[in-house]
Amino acid sequence: GAGVSQSPSNKVTEKGKDVELRCDPISGHTALYWYRQSLGQGLEFLIYFQGNSAPDKSGLPSDRFSAERTGGSVSTLTIQRTQQEDSAVYLCASSLAWGQGINLTEAFFGQGTRLTVV
Amino acid sequence: AQSVTQPDIHITVSEGASLELRCNYSYGATPYLFWYVQSPGQGLQLLLKYFSGDTLVQGIKGFEAEFKRSQSSFNLRKPSVHWSDAAEYFCAVGLISNFGNEKLTFGTGTRLTIIP
Repeated sequence: GAGVSQSPSNKVTEKGKDVELRCDPISGHTALYWYRQSLGQGLEFLIYFQGNSAPDKSGLPSDRFSAERTGGSVSTLTIQRTQQEDSAVYLCASSLAWGQGINLTEAFFGQGTRLTVV
Repeated sequence: AQSVTQPDIHITVSEGASLELRCNYSYGATPYLFWYVQSPGQGLQLLLKYFSGDTLVQGIKGFEAEFKRSQSSFNLRKPSVHWSDAAEYFCAVGLISNFGNEKLTFGTGTRLTIIP
């Protein structure tokens, strides 16, 4: 597609259930980010994938959170045993590789998945 | 640790007035700098970016930003705001993470309200 696609756009789940959020990055983009935006808060970095390198998981808030990126393209963010504090908008972004001398490029964001844990 | 600070949580300006949104970063070297805008119900859109060269950069929608190394700042400006500029604005810094990968770190955002 032309942009970053995230699904579902909205998800309501019961406390304690597991959820999977999906991100389809722009074709050819090697870098993929997940962020979390809570009400009235900024964007909290969760995890970063870059090509075949080991992902930077330093932002994942607990071991209930995990993410995969299959074939260097689609990514899935999984939250196990959801809690009410997990309610937020989860944003995915992708970009061409940048930094370390590579041409600076921007990160393109999806519309996000609004997760509500009840 | 690297950080990005947007000291103003909420700013209200009159339509047609000038605007300046503040952004400060904490990092040992010159980072990559970005401003993004998030309009209501929309995704984030890049306004402008700075990597090197001219410290005054021009972006879309009439915005500009100036990198000041001595102040570790990258403030966003617009000479005359329009009602459609009402949105949330995020400053972001691109850094090399401890894992050797690039990492985009965002500030907490500034909400801009435009009054007639």
